[in-house]
Parts: sequence; structure tokens; C-alpha cells
Amino acid sequence: GESVGLHLPTLSVQEGDNSIINCAYSNSASDYFIWYKQESGKGPQFIIDIRSNMDKRQGQRVTVLLNKTVKHLSLQIAATQPGDSAVYFCAENEYGGSQGNLIFGKGTKLSVKP
Amino acid sequence: ETGVTQTPRHLVMGMTNKKSLKCEQHLGHNAMYWYKQSAKKPLELMFVYNFKEQTENNSVPSRFSPECPNSSHLFLHLHTLQPEDSALYLCASSHQDAGITNEKLFFGSGTQLSVL
Repeated sequence: GESVGLHLPTLSVQEGDNSIINCAYSNSASDYFIWYKQESGKGPQFIIDIRSNMDKRQGQRVTVLLNKTVKHLSLQIAATQPGDSAVYFCAENEYGGSQGNLIFGKGTKLSVKP
Repeated sequence: ETGVTQTPRHLVMGMTNKKSLKCEQHLGHNAMYWYKQSAKKPLELMFVYNFKEQTENNSVPSRFSPECPNSSHLFLHLHTLQPEDSALYLCASSHQDAGITNEKLFFGSGTQLSVL
């Protein structure tokens, strides 16, 4: 079946550097994408979302880029901080897809070195 | 604090026990969800309730029984579970507008379930 995947299971960065977390998806009908952050002992927390009619969206210190041509999604975190250490999930939903049925990737663990 | 509260945080039960997980959302949302998170596997949707009505059931075994008495409360009743059901069970809520794909989910911290 079609699913969302991640290129790297772990990512280690130096505090203050920028982080880039990648995600590949295979369903060309997907029109909504979302990034979640999950810290240890907590549930996933919304970071940023983007619809397929956009290719870039910025939040506070985070930017999501969507490349529909190659079905690639990325999350960029500027000036990474120790508090950014967590597992990051991308997820997708197809236009008209069933409610709540986000397809989640397995996650990338981001570790920030002081 | 996300506005979604789950209890208990941890639960250990035997295969013959009956237990219930509770979820409460304080966000005024109209949809609630149960997800299962197992180690090294993606999040799996179990149940969806929209305006208290169950709209999705992703082929979940009958040993899991959801209940949604109102739009703020959601339960997951458990009975005769198997060891492979051990996982983190996450509750989420969202505001759904009819006809609009909006999957911005707010998750609770989950119940870590161990079945012995």
C-alpha cells in the first residue's frame, strides 16, 4: 500500500545549527501534510502543516517545504536547540480521505548536541 | 498541556482483566480519536468519533470497545487483551468542518499499556 516514509531514522546536530528532516510520500493524491514532534513521555505535538497548493510554509523557527514533483516533504528547524530533541513524524492525508486517517511515517529521532 | 487529558498514564493488566482508558478534551472540539503507537511502527488509527457518532473503525479487534458519551469524553474499554496489544494508546481531538480536510490533531500524553 501507499505510505509515508522517512529517509533517516536518526539525526544528530550541533546546538545552533540548522536541522533538516526529510520525508517521502508515495500517494500522489495526498493534498495535506503535517509535521508532529513527540518528546519522550508525551503525545505528538503539532508543529506545522501545508496543503498541496503551496510549496513552502514558515512558522516560528520552522519551515516546511513540499516538492510535489518528487513527492518529498522536509522540515527545517533553524538554530536547533536542546529542546528540539524529539522524534519527528510527517503525515499525509488524501483529498476526500477518511477523517482522522492520517498516514504517519515511522519518525526521525533528532538529537541535539550541546 | 495540550488540552487533552488521558488517564491512567500507565496500566499493567493480565489477559483476563477488564480495564478502561479515559480521555477528556477541553478544547471544544467535535471529533475524537483513538490511536495505537507500537515500538518501531507508525501510528495506527483505531477509532474516530464525530459529533459522538463513530465514523471509522479500522478493523480493530472486538476486545477493544470504544465509547463516546459526549463530545468531550472518550473511553476505550479493554477485555481479554493479548501481550501483543501492549503499546502506547493515544487519544486525540480535532475540530472538523464538514467537507474540509483538516487533520490538525491535538494528542494527549497517552496511556502506556502492558499486557502480561
